Amino acid sequence: GAVVSQHPSWVICKSGTSVKIECRSLDFQATTMFWYRQFPKQSLMLMATSNEGSKATYEQGVEKDKFLINHASLTLSTLTVTSAHPEDSSFYICSAGVGGTGREKLFFGSGTQLSVL
Amino acid sequence: SQQGEEDPQALSIQEGENATMNCSYKTSINNLQWYRQNSGRGLVHLILIRSNEREKHSGRLRVTLDTSKKSSSLLITASRAADTASYFCATATDSWGKLQFGAGTQVVVTP
Repeated sequence: GAVVSQHPSWVICKSGTSVKIECRSLDFQATTMFWYRQFPKQSLMLMATSNEGSKATYEQGVEKDKFLINHASLTLSTLTVTSAHPEDSSFYICSAGVGGTGREKLFFGSGTQLSVL
Repeated sequence: SQQGEEDPQALSIQEGENATMNCSYKTSINNLQWYRQNSGRGLVHLILIRSNEREKHSGRLRVTLDTSKKSSSLLITASRAADTASYFCATATDSWGKLQFGAGTQVVVTP
């Protein structure tokens, strides 16, 4: 199946710093990628839809200036958590879809565990 | 916001037994998907069922969809210890990949 690579797997940073997470589609082109966050033992919450060459679409309640998304190419989307604070500590997962009329079947990255001290 | 509600929240069974989990959702959908997540890892797509389908099989997995009740079920037959994971249903209101996930069912299969 298609492979989505997410990097880094985990990151620890100090409060106030910014952290960039990369999501790459390795063997297919993804015009659209999705970013989720997940708290322990909870479900995935969609944060934003990343569109290649245009601005991301954010879900209600997600601060676009806090979570910067850049989808500069058909194989790479990045999520930057700016001025991170302890409450931003979470598991972040990206996904991209292939096939069909759209992107019905999603392939997920392995996730990034962010811990803000 | 979450679209799906799943039950049970947790399920503990022995190897060889069947595991059944249910998902209910609130709005009309284009398709419903089930995913599996091992602890601290990404999600793996298991099966997709479209709104005009009622039942689908894939290996030891059987998924049903009842659009009149806005519910779906996932059955794992002859479970194995390796099936231990969290299982999520996710609904799509169109074919463009935006999914809303349910709360998940944590399944533990003991040898």
